[in-house]
Amino acid sequence: QSVLTQPPSVSGAPGQRVTISCTGSGSNFATGYDVHWYRHIPGTAPKLLIFGNTNRPSGVPDRFSGSRSGTLASLTITGLQPEDESDYYCQSFDTSLGGSVFGSGTKVTVL
Amino acid sequence: QGRLQQWGAGLLRPSETLSLNCAVYGGSFGGYYWSWVRQSPGKGLEWIGEVDHGGRTNYDPSLKSRLTVSIDTTKNHFFLKLDSVTAADTGVYYCAARSGIHYCFDFWGQGTQVTVSS
Repeated sequence: QSVLTQPPSVSGAPGQRVTISCTGSGSNFATGYDVHWYRHIPGTAPKLLIFGNTNRPSGVPDRFSGSRSGTLASLTITGLQPEDESDYYCQSFDTSLGGSVFGSGTKVTVL
Repeated sequence: QGRLQQWGAGLLRPSETLSLNCAVYGGSFGGYYWSWVRQSPGKGLEWIGEVDHGGRTNYDPSLKSRLTVSIDTTKNHFFLKLDSVTAADTGVYYCAARSGIHYCFDFWGQGTQVTVSS
């Protein structure tokens, strides 16, 4: 069972905006650790989309944005494109585990 | 940014030992925690364990009794060994570099499919 909770799926038409939530707890988000987001196609290497709650690595399109307030983090895709159809995961560090934790994953479907 | 290349046996029988290797090309070897993440069929990403350049390790408590993550800084390689595997250990295993600053996984290996079957 994942420590970080995400909705199983979200969907939207091309051009729309979708938001994926990630809910943490006192042993991860509340202790000050940042949230990061990845896009993952099963069987291929995950790709870092957002680090440090809101920052995009070089090369990530600006239609991907991250936010965080307390124990709730969000990834927003603005102007959804067909190639955005994928699984998305949040990740943080958990003091109880003594290691990294991932969200349960969200499948984004482009209608 | 660095690059990771991983390899190892993909088909195991129950009770055998899973062994994977990961080579690090580029990047600052001392600035990362060298990690292993897996994805079981139909499930999400799961952190397994990690080692730093000094050999200090952190493990998922549920795997700790069977798990060894180690490093060879002379060859820029790190390793995963998981003893006494069962079908529940089937999945795709990834090596990854976790930033010591931001705690995110900056770059990843290509993944290795591991199947445990009798």
